[in-house]
Amino acid sequence: SQTIHQWPATLVQPVGSPLSLECTVEGTSNPNLYWYRQAAGRGLQLLFYSIGIDQISSEVPQNLSASRPQDRQFILSSKKLLLSDSGFYLCAWSVFGASSEQYFGPGTRLTVT
Amino acid sequence: GENVEQHPSTLSVQEGDSAVIKCTYSDSASNYFPWYKQELGKGPQLIIDIRSNVGEKKDQRIAVTLNKTAKHFSLHITETQPEDSAVYFCAASRGDYGQNFVFGPGTRLSVLP
Repeated sequence: SQTIHQWPATLVQPVGSPLSLECTVEGTSNPNLYWYRQAAGRGLQLLFYSIGIDQISSEVPQNLSASRPQDRQFILSSKKLLLSDSGFYLCAWSVFGASSEQYFGPGTRLTVT
Repeated sequence: GENVEQHPSTLSVQEGDSAVIKCTYSDSASNYFPWYKQELGKGPQLIIDIRSNVGEKKDQRIAVTLNKTAKHFSLHITETQPEDSAVYFCAASRGDYGQNFVFGPGTRLSVLP
C-alpha cells in the first residue's frame, strides 16, 4: 500500500531564516506530487505541483520554491521566511496522469516568529 | 479559473440527525468532485468522490449528489455520530494532466451528543 510522509511535524523559525520541508511517498512510482498551504481556519491553497522529476509548476507567486530531486521526494524551500509564511503545509500525491484521487500527508505546522 | 464556494461555513447537528453541505463550482469543464474530512491537526482524508458521468454515489452513511446543469454538488451524512465532527472540504477538478484541485473554504461540522 502507498504511504506519504512529511517532516518535520512542527517547526518554529524566525523571520529571515531558511526553510526546508520534505515529503516522500512509498509504494507507488512516478506520482504527481503537490504542496498546499492551509492558513488557520481556512481552505487549502495549491502552491506547487509536479508531474515528474524536475517538472514543477508554481500556482502562486511567493518566496517559496519546490524541488523534486527524486521520483518520490518533494521538497519545499525558502531562502528567507516571512511572517506570512506561517501555516499548515500539506503534501499530497496522486496517480500519474489519470483523473484520480489525491492523498494527503500528515502535514507540517510552521510558525514564523 | 475555477472557483468553488461552500456552504454553510459552520454546521451543528444533534447526534443521529442528518447533515448536508453544499458546494458550487464555476468551471463547466470540471469533471471530478472529491470530499475530504480533516480532523484537528491532521491532513485531509478522502471520504467520497463523484465523477461527472454519475449523479449520485453512496457509501454507508455518506452520499454525494451532483447536478451538472446547476454546477453544484452536495455531501449528505445520515445518522451523524460525534466522530463525524470535523472540517469538511469539497473540491473540483478538470482532470488536467496535473490533476489540480480547487478546494472550497471548508465547513466545520459539530455533532452534539
